Amino acid sequence: DAGVIQSPRHEVTEMGQEVTLRCKPISGHDYLFWYRQTMMRGLELLIYFNNNVPIDDSGMPEDRFSAKMPNASFSTLKIQPSEPRDSAVYFCASSPRQGLSQPQHFGDGTRLSIL
Amino acid sequence: AQSVAQPEDQVNVAEGNPLTVKCTYSVSGNPYLFWYVQYPNRGLQFLLKYITGDNLVKGSYGFEAEFNKSQTSFHLKKPSALVSDSALYFCAVSVGWGGGADGLTFGKGTHLIIQP
Repeated sequence: DAGVIQSPRHEVTEMGQEVTLRCKPISGHDYLFWYRQTMMRGLELLIYFNNNVPIDDSGMPEDRFSAKMPNASFSTLKIQPSEPRDSAVYFCASSPRQGLSQPQHFGDGTRLSIL
Repeated sequence: AQSVAQPEDQVNVAEGNPLTVKCTYSVSGNPYLFWYVQYPNRGLQFLLKYITGDNLVKGSYGFEAEFNKSQTSFHLKKPSALVSDSALYFCAVSVGWGGGADGLTFGKGTHLIIQP
């Protein structure tokens, strides 16, 4: 079975540009999570969805960040405009119906560098 | 709010020796506890979880963890370390039944280094 698929794997762009990160969860999983990993702050939950509906977006750092899940097989995390402090590895994860009691399956991440 | 503490940034163990990676947690309610491992340039991989029942849980690659409610701890252990166990290990907690929807909170991670 295919795991969680994230694209692109690497993204380098200049500050002020719009960045879109993409995620395809495991088929049949009802929960989708977006995380950000940095050396300074570790792994932070940004937002998570249940059945395509955002449940908790309290971790989204600023209005420059937005996330959508238009259907069960696709989600995007958008940063507009991007800033150098947004440089990090962004992970998407999905889990089955039982949600928070079940293990999350992580993609291999998108390494984002904002110059 | 829930939180996880991993007090050691790095743990060094000789190959063949037992290893322990420490984790303590704080939640309002019953915890769901997890351990994940991360290898370089990869996403996190699930190792084991505690939801309810036996305090000692066994997971992948020979790892196990012991849930201690009085000490609010969930330390990761392995009887005999392998060089291939060298990686970054994360403890995580979410609130179980009766809790809210705060998602999963991770500790800052512990680098485990197994020396040949």
